[in-house]
Parts: sequence; structure tokens; C-alpha cells
Amino acid sequence: SQQGEEDPQALSIQEGENATMNCSYKTSINNLQWYRQNSGRGLVHLILIRSNEREKHSGRLRVTLDTSKKSSSLLITASRAADTASYFCATVSGTGANNLFFGTGTRLTVIP
Amino acid sequence: SQTIHQWPATLVQPVGSPLSLECTVEGTSNPNLYWYRQAAGRGLQLLFYSVGIGQISSEVPQNLSASRPQDRQFILSSKKLLLSDSGFYLCAWSPTQQGSGGYTFGSGTRLTVV
Repeated sequence: SQQGEEDPQALSIQEGENATMNCSYKTSINNLQWYRQNSGRGLVHLILIRSNEREKHSGRLRVTLDTSKKSSSLLITASRAADTASYFCATVSGTGANNLFFGTGTRLTVIP
Repeated sequence: SQTIHQWPATLVQPVGSPLSLECTVEGTSNPNLYWYRQAAGRGLQLLFYSVGIGQISSEVPQNLSASRPQDRQFILSSKKLLLSDSGFYLCAWSPTQQGSGGYTFGSGTRLTVV
């Protein structure tokens, strides 16, 4: 399966701490994306990293990609209670419309 | 700017009743459109995608069907709902050419079949 797998499945931290979520995948990719989903809502695209990039930043988010290990990590620094959500990685492989594959997600809880 | 609308937000339907969920996109032309289903606490399962009017691809055999009567309209339907059709349904769009952006999702429909 091309679907990614996030690790851990659930993470609980105190406000102000950093949160790190990992994603592993199985096939070669064009890019990898991270999404956030608040409970009962749609997914929101956070960041995209291309296969030739190793690190990308967006505000308090830092994404790394290691194509040799077929893995990526999402780091949220100085977490806030509002960061509580599920986070999904999704990989894009090949061309065409049906080329985005989602992982099973990490449920992050930030305790105030 | 591009927006995506999905409705209704919640729906409770009896077994055997029909279903129609609608999704519309604004601010873009010829988008790729998608219907996903998400079971509680799980990832997303792609149900259907469309690259153009009248062009529907199904990913999994199921009790549902999809249609794209207009460029920016995507409809998920069923003639007779089953209990197993309960779930959270998400519509999404992406540019025809995958570029620097990701998918844009609607706010979802919580379907409960009773």
C-alpha cells in the first residue's frame, strides 16, 4: 500500500512543549503533505515538501523529509491548546488525479 | 479566492432511504474533485474522483454513486442507504496540475444511518 503511517497514533503534551509526529511511507513520492483536522471538521492543508527538499518551515511548523528512509516528521514548536487536532500526512506519487494517499493520523492533545 | 461548499453538515437518515450530498467549488475552473469517507478515528478512504464533467472513477465497490453534472459540482448519492454507510463524508478539490498546493477540503457531512 502507498498509504503513509503516522506515529504515534496519539500524543498528549503540555502547552508550550514541542510536538513531533512522524510519517513513514512505502513508495517513491513526488511530494509529501501534512494536513490538520479539527474534530468533526474538514482537513486543512498545512505544508507541502517536495521530494528534493529536506526541510521546510511555516510559522511554528517544521517539516523534514528523508527520502532514503521514506519518512517525514512534523514538529510543532511552542504548542498551544488550539493546536489540539488530528494531523495527517499524505504522499503524492506519480501523475494523474488519483495520486494522493493519506495516513491514519496522529491525534494531538495539548493540555492548557 | 477558491472556496468549497459542502452540505448538509449533519444528516440522519433511515436505512433504505435515498441520499444526496452536494459539493460545489468556486473560484477555479476544471478542478479535480473527490469524495472521501472517514470512519471514526481513522484515515480517509477515497470513494470517487472526477477529472471532468461526467467523468467519474470509483475506488471501492459500494452502495454509493457519484455524479458531476457541472464543472464545479460533485454529488454523492445512494438509492438505498445501509447502516454501514454511516460516516463522515468529505469533498475536496485540487488543481488539474498538481503544483505547490494541496487539496482543499469541504467542512464535511456527518451521516448517521439509523
